[in-house]
Amino acid sequence: NAGVMQNPRHLVRRRGQEARLRCSPMKGHSHVYWYRQLPEEGLKFMVYLQKENIIDESGMPKERFSAEFPKEGPSILRIQQVVRGDSAAYFCASSRGLAGSTYEQYFGPGTRLTVT
Amino acid sequence: ILNVEQSPQSLHVQEGDSTNFTCSFPSSNFYALHWYRWETAKSPEALFVMTLNGDEKKKGRISATLNTKEGYSYLYIKGSQPEDSATYLCASHAGNQFYFGTGTSLTVIP
Repeated sequence: NAGVMQNPRHLVRRRGQEARLRCSPMKGHSHVYWYRQLPEEGLKFMVYLQKENIIDESGMPKERFSAEFPKEGPSILRIQQVVRGDSAAYFCASSRGLAGSTYEQYFGPGTRLTVT
Repeated sequence: ILNVEQSPQSLHVQEGDSTNFTCSFPSSNFYALHWYRWETAKSPEALFVMTLNGDEKKKGRISATLNTKEGYSYLYIKGSQPEDSATYLCASHAGNQFYFGTGTSLTVIP
């Protein structure tokens, strides 16, 4: 059973370009979480999605950032018009249900975004 | 935003020593406390999920306790081995969100 897959693992973008980060959850998992780790900081929650629904996006910047988890295919985190401050490692995690007492989160290897 | 704090920030111990770290979290709106082990260049790996006050979980030489009334959890490693070297993260699950601490970086010296 493959784990959580993220691609690309490394992404370099120039200021003003768009960045698309993909996350394929584990088989049977319908809940996806995205986190950002800025240099020298911990993991920060961005958004929680279920298939075709955004459940909680309160951790995501209001502008330039969007996320989706379509019925078919991976979850996508999209950053428009990237700026240097977007340079970070972006992790996604998936769970079978609402991660909590019953369900654990399983993390992907992350995408390291560098904005030049 | 909840403040989850971990201490110490880093720790060096000799192989064979036992050690423990602390995770403190706000007890309001608490749902669950998660511990993760994160090795360099790998993904965080789930260790424990705890929800009830007084919970104790154990996996091999690693164990954890939870006090939801005072808002803290301890992670213990008995007889540390070099392969235990990693960053240990805790996360408080409140509402739909997870609030992570910045981790305790453990180095076990052979």
